[in-house]
Amino acid sequence: EVQLLESGGGLVQPGGSLRLSCAASGFTFSNYAMTWVRQAPGKGLEWVSGISDSGGGTYYADSVKGRFTISRDNSKNTLYLQMNRLRAEDTAVYYCANRPKLSGGWPFDYWGQGTLVTVSS
Amino acid sequence: DIQLTQSPSFLSASVGDRVTITCRASQGISSYLAWYQQKPGKAPKLLMYAASTLQSGVPSRFSGSGSGTEFTLTISSLQPEDFATYYCQQLNSYPITFGQGTRLEIK
Repeated sequence: EVQLLESGGGLVQPGGSLRLSCAASGFTFSNYAMTWVRQAPGKGLEWVSGISDSGGGTYYADSVKGRFTISRDNSKNTLYLQMNRLRAEDTAVYYCANRPKLSGGWPFDYWGQGTLVTVSS
Repeated sequence: DIQLTQSPSFLSASVGDRVTITCRASQGISSYLAWYQQKPGKAPKLLMYAASTLQSGVPSRFSGSGSGTEFTLTISSLQPEDFATYYCQQLNSYPITFGQGTRLEIK
């Protein structure tokens, strides 16, 4: 059974940092691109960042570029999102998802349950 | 960035109805479009990819069509478990973008 378990969310002050983790199991992690998506309270889905299966390619939304860093450790089957210089508008539930190499651009298949990040003083 | 506009944003329908949601892209994205269903407090679920390919395990009452800039998701006969919010997503180019969502509620 595929499982993605996010952790690391919480309350942080503006300007602070957090590192999210996504522990994967039930599939060959190193064969899959991975991604982070967030959802602000009561709002829609926003893609945040993605990483290739090897980790050699990384991609970011303009809203987080220069502040967030995506990485992965294939030996630990874990995806990370380092979030620096956090802003109130980064408050959201953060989901990780895997991207099987299906046709049509590698959609987001399995998703974690999400972890809430709240940026507030 | 490629913008996706869904219509309608809100839809009220009854069990057994046939409903269609439209997603329009600001530029051509071939068939690099996926659809997701999200229920309150839950993670999104992949329904359709490559515009018209049903994800494994998704009921056949869901269907998708389109290419280029206009796409549709159709539910042929609404079931109680289908009342949720639906999002389209383009995977043609970075940044990956989602539509604003269509909330489907019971009439």
